[in-house]
Amino acid sequence: DQQVKQNSPSLSVQEGRISILNCDYTNSMFDYFLWYKKYPAEGPTFLISISSIKDKNEDGRFTVFLNKSAKHLSLHIVPSQPGDSAVYFCAASGGSSNTGKLIFGQGTTLQVKP
Amino acid sequence: NAGVTQTPKFQVLKTGQSMTLQCAQDMNHNSMYWYRQDPGMGLRLIYYSASEGTTDKGEVPNGYNVSRLNKREFSLRLESAAPSQTSVYFCASILHSSYNSPLHFGNGTRLTVT
Repeated sequence: DQQVKQNSPSLSVQEGRISILNCDYTNSMFDYFLWYKKYPAEGPTFLISISSIKDKNEDGRFTVFLNKSAKHLSLHIVPSQPGDSAVYFCAASGGSSNTGKLIFGQGTTLQVKP
Repeated sequence: NAGVTQTPKFQVLKTGQSMTLQCAQDMNHNSMYWYRQDPGMGLRLIYYSASEGTTDKGEVPNGYNVSRLNKREFSLRLESAAPSQTSVYFCASILHSSYNSPLHFGNGTRLTVT
């Protein structure tokens, strides 16, 4: 049973436009959500996070929105740049005392075209 | 400051062979983790060590053992490799597993079992 789902395997956007990556979860015990970015042959790198007590967190071009009633979160990248082309993983933790025990989605490959 | 360092970067094993994947972090983190990444499945937790001297099973521990050698080092051992263990293995660390903070990942070990 996939507790964290990213239903879009890939997304293609034009440079300068908005990229919206989506993530759904099923476990209501999750209380901390993160987005990671991964380039080929590298490890995932942390991008942005949000606690369940918030519904929005912004860091520069990146904004994460959390809709707890819908068990849905999204990552907005504005404006998108070619260097943003990577695989993006949504992850969640909670229901455990160990916040390093993350449940990951399958990933979405973002391509930003110049 | 190297962060999380994994060795080797690549490895090819024959079925039944054994090997140890090494991981070291220089961030004085307390908790360390081993994840595997398979196509279409995101990252899944194999084993973790919340603090020096402790280890626990994650979501997919079968076929693996771990050793927390000291605060810096956390190794993953495959006693008898199987083709199903072909994957990319990531080591990660976090300052303290009780705090909401992001995992820091190494660049991975790509393992092929033939």
